[in-house]
Amino acid sequence: DQQVKQNSPSLSVQEGRISILNCDYTNSMFDYFLWYKKYPAEGPTFLISISSIKDKNEDGRFTVFLNKSAKHLSLHIVPSQPGDSAVYFCAASEALYNQGGKLIFGQGTELSVKP
Amino acid sequence: EPEVTQTPSHQVTQMGQEVILRCVPISNHLYFYWYRQILGQKVEFLVSFYNNEISEKSEIFDDQFSVERPDGSNFTLKIRSTKLEDSAMYFCASRGLLSTDTQYFGPGTRLTVL
Repeated sequence: DQQVKQNSPSLSVQEGRISILNCDYTNSMFDYFLWYKKYPAEGPTFLISISSIKDKNEDGRFTVFLNKSAKHLSLHIVPSQPGDSAVYFCAASEALYNQGGKLIFGQGTELSVKP
Repeated sequence: EPEVTQTPSHQVTQMGQEVILRCVPISNHLYFYWYRQILGQKVEFLVSFYNNEISEKSEIFDDQFSVERPDGSNFTLKIRSTKLEDSAMYFCASRGLLSTDTQYFGPGTRLTVL
């Protein structure tokens, strides 16, 4: 069951450059999407979210873009910093249809930002 | 800043034993969740809990699993008879009333079944 897919297991970028992490989904009922960051031995930490009524949401260095027709979202980090090195998870839910709001996660992308 | 806490951080148990994993959600949150992550795999939903009852559960959450909110602050996950394949990180999460409210995760409990 691969409703949410992150096809790149890892990404390496130079400090100061842009990091772009991608996520694809198959379930057209998903209407709320989130990005979480995770360090080893810690729980996922919320970064940014987007509702399906929007195509972009920005918070400081982090911007999430949603392309509903392509069922694709991406997280842009500009500029990337060494402290951004972590595993990034994309997650989705059927917020409108399911009040319980369970999250379906992608496999994660490990970002490494090199000084 | 309020946070979700979990105890213990690491639990080692023998196959067939019962374990209870504990969580203290954020105090004004109303929905509570358990997720797990087997090493090298994705984070998987187990169960959601609202108004003192299960609102949804996954196929993983079979009769060996149960959840409880015994005292209005703690939220527990019990595994009655652990199997080797139950070894994983277990994360508790909580959120407010709206389905678009952010789920905040605890640091996790690493369960090792020998």
